[in-house]
This record gives sequence, C-alpha cells and structure tokens, in this order.
Amino acid sequence: AAGVIQSPRHLIKEKRETATLKCYPIPRHDTVYWYQQGPGQDPQFLISFYEKMQSDKGSIPDRFSAQQFSDYHSELNMSSLELGDSALYFCASSLGAQFSNEQFFGPGTRLTVL
Amino acid sequence: LAKTTQPISMDSYEGQEVNITCSHNNIATNDYITWYQQFPSQGPRFIIQGYKTKVTNEVASLFIPADRKSSTLSLPRVSLSDTAVYYCLVGDNNSGYALNFGKGTSLLVTP
Repeated sequence: AAGVIQSPRHLIKEKRETATLKCYPIPRHDTVYWYQQGPGQDPQFLISFYEKMQSDKGSIPDRFSAQQFSDYHSELNMSSLELGDSALYFCASSLGAQFSNEQFFGPGTRLTVL
Repeated sequence: LAKTTQPISMDSYEGQEVNITCSHNNIATNDYITWYQQFPSQGPRFIIQGYKTKVTNEVASLFIPADRKSSTLSLPRVSLSDTAVYYCLVGDNNSGYALNFGKGTSLLVTP
C-alpha cells in the first residue's frame, strides 16, 4: 500500500540558510500534519492542513511556514536556520481532520544544521 | 487537553505479556484514547484506539475502566521487535486534530 513520502530524507544546511521539506500524503488523504522531533525528544506538533487550509497550529517558529497545495502535497519552509533546528521532521496524513482519525507517518527528513 | 502520565520505561522478556498503564485523570466526556508506537528514527505508528471498555486488534488490547481515568495497553507475548517507545494520547474531535505527544514509555524486550 502507498505510504507517506517525504523528501529529501537527509538534508545538511548551514546556519542562516533556508530549507524546504516536502511531503506527499497517502492518495485520497486530505489532511497533512508536520511534527518535529529533536534528538532524544518526543515528537512536537508544528502545523496541520485540511483541504489546503491551515487547520491547527502548534509550536511552529515564526521562521517556519508551510502550505498544502492543490494536489494535497505539503511543503515546510524553514528560514534563518539555527543549530537547534537540527531534528527529524515527520509528516503525517489522514483521511479527515479529526483526532480519532489514524495518522500515517512518513519516514521523516533528518535535518542537520551546521 | 487531558494530561497523560505513563511510566518512563519498562523491561520485559520475550514471550511475556506487557501491560502499560496510562493515567488521564482529567479526561473529558468526548475524549478518545489512542496509542502510538515509535521505533528509533522512524515515524510513530498507530496501534489502537478506544473510548470505553475493551478494544482488541491483531497487535494489542486496550482496557479502559468505567471511570476512564486510566487505560492499559496490553501487548501479548512480546518479541524483541516490540522494543520501542509507546505513547498514550487523549483528545477529542472538536478541539484539535494534532497529536500532542507527551513522555512515552520506552519498552525494552530482552531474550
């Protein structure tokens, strides 16, 4: 079965650079979530989109922005990168935007900021 | 959001049944209880969800007492591959869609 696709899988950036992470949800899923997981930390919710509109917002820094496109894929744009942004970034998708709907997670993008 | 409390870590031997209890004393009437599993460097994976009493699927059972102030995830006959972090999450369908992960339970299964 098709799963959530994230690209790139690994990314190395310098401080103050920008990065764009991409997420392709499971076909027919209309909701996308972004999570950040720092080393040894638990996943933290950043932002979510339902039918191309922002549906929920968590602890996303102002330096980050995201959107969901007409084909339902989503991109997380990160600017002025800091060392503390080094983390695994997971995208998840679900059919419908409800807590009780199972979220399917992608393999993650490992971002390293030097 | 209902706060959840789980043991930080648990150890088990292969073949044993493992029960992980999660406390959620201020759970609301419309809240669901959901458990996710996470292996190192992988995204979390849904295990099971329930509202009350008992739910069973092919990998686990979820026991929820009548007062719903706690829940117990039961993993029958664990194997080495069940070594992972297990997260208990509580939420409803009206106040947010995101999974707010707290501190999960790190389960170590040894031979």
